[in-house]
Amino acid sequence: AQKITQTQPGMFVQEKEAVTLDCTYDTSDQSYGLFWYKQPSSGEMIFLIYQGSYDEQNATEGRYSLNFQKARKSANLVISASQLGDSAMYFCAVRSTRGGTSYGKLTFGQGTILTVHP
Amino acid sequence: NAGVTQTPKFRVLKTGQSMTLLCAQDMNHEYMYWYRQDPGMGLRLIHYSVGEGTTAKGEVPDGYNVSRLKKQNFLLGLESAAPSQTSVYFCASSYSMGRRGSYEQYFGPGTRLTVT
Repeated sequence: AQKITQTQPGMFVQEKEAVTLDCTYDTSDQSYGLFWYKQPSSGEMIFLIYQGSYDEQNATEGRYSLNFQKARKSANLVISASQLGDSAMYFCAVRSTRGGTSYGKLTFGQGTILTVHP
Repeated sequence: NAGVTQTPKFRVLKTGQSMTLLCAQDMNHEYMYWYRQDPGMGLRLIHYSVGEGTTAKGEVPDGYNVSRLKKQNFLLGLESAAPSQTSVYFCASSYSMGRRGSYEQYFGPGTRLTVT
């Protein structure tokens, strides 16, 4: 079984500053993938970034980067130069890729609500 | 492309009533999923399908049934609704697993279901 823990129920950041959202995971699989999704108040789920367990470099997508520390089993999301539109719920998720038998199933954390102040 | 669409967007049911939620995707994805999201919680997998005619149970399957008669559609049924099934339901789809396993899931807009 896999488990994702997001210990920050809520985070606040000033506009244009950087913020880190924490995510730790628990999986016994050697091969897995980590995802971050954004859920604005409108409710849709928006894919932000992906990190494979065998990827040596941290993933980056525009203002989003993933601080992947495999030994510590953490996959923190870093948002640089925060914008008011970044205010949303953020979910970390893990997917096992072992032998392909997971069929892409995601296990989600509880989420972190980010509020960006002007 | 419409992506992933869900019907209906909102629904109120009385205890014991039945209903079917429809999910459709136009991206030719092999895999499809149904999740539920309760207040203050992340999404939990109800059922999933890896291809036309195949379905499997997820983490919280009790009280739900699914069918995937066509590749583009994935139906979620509640035979006898209970207040505990009040939730927001999300459908998602993705390509099958590549070697890197990097294929993200595309989500529909959600269906807000209230059971009184």
